[in-house]
Amino acid sequence: EVELVESGGGLIQPGGSLSLSCAASGFSITSSYMAWVRQAPGKGLEWVSSLYSGDYTSYADSVKGRFTISRDDSTNTLFLQINNVGAGDMAMYYCVRGLYGAFDLWGQGTLVPVSS
Amino acid sequence: DIVMTQTPLSSAVTLGQPASISCRSSESLVNSGGNTFLSWLHQRPGQPPRLLIHKISNRFSGVPDRFSGGGAGTDFTLKISRVEAEDVGVYYCMQAKQFPITFGQGTRLEIK
Repeated sequence: EVELVESGGGLIQPGGSLSLSCAASGFSITSSYMAWVRQAPGKGLEWVSSLYSGDYTSYADSVKGRFTISRDDSTNTLFLQINNVGAGDMAMYYCVRGLYGAFDLWGQGTLVPVSS
Repeated sequence: DIVMTQTPLSSAVTLGQPASISCRSSESLVNSGGNTFLSWLHQRPGQPPRLLIHKISNRFSGVPDRFSGGGAGTDFTLKISRVEAEDVGVYYCMQAKQFPITFGQGTRLEIK
């Protein structure tokens, strides 16, 4: 079955760090366009970062310098390292696959609450 | 950044009646290769979004044919020919022409 399963979310204090994981099955992330999209509680969708065409990466301005997207080909897992967390980073984080210039496969998400 | 503006922000539709959502981009979404990476997503309450339409008008696998997309350049539309109960939720348009990838604010569809 083709699916994405996120993990690693959890309560974090402002200024803290967290690593999110996304285990992919049924396809290879090495040859796929992968990304993270987040959704703050009760709000809309916000693109966070993409990893594509091998090792090209792109980040939203709001996370540039604090977030790092990466992957482990041996475990078919996508990661998002989150550093210096702020209140604005509180959201459900979705791992997504890109296809046809769209996001065709979404995980169930992992929640990152931020509170002191 | 390309700003995506959806209208209306909410809509209440009677079962079996049509629904339409508009999405306007702040600049043309046609890329240098002639492709237009405008897609539509649907999010039911408590669920992740799912892809409905890609490249303006292409229904994704498993999407009922009551959903259709159209438009060009900067103006796009999602139409539901006959709304069913399972269509409730929030609909988003998204552009992937350039970074940052941006979404519309979302349109909430309810049953009247």
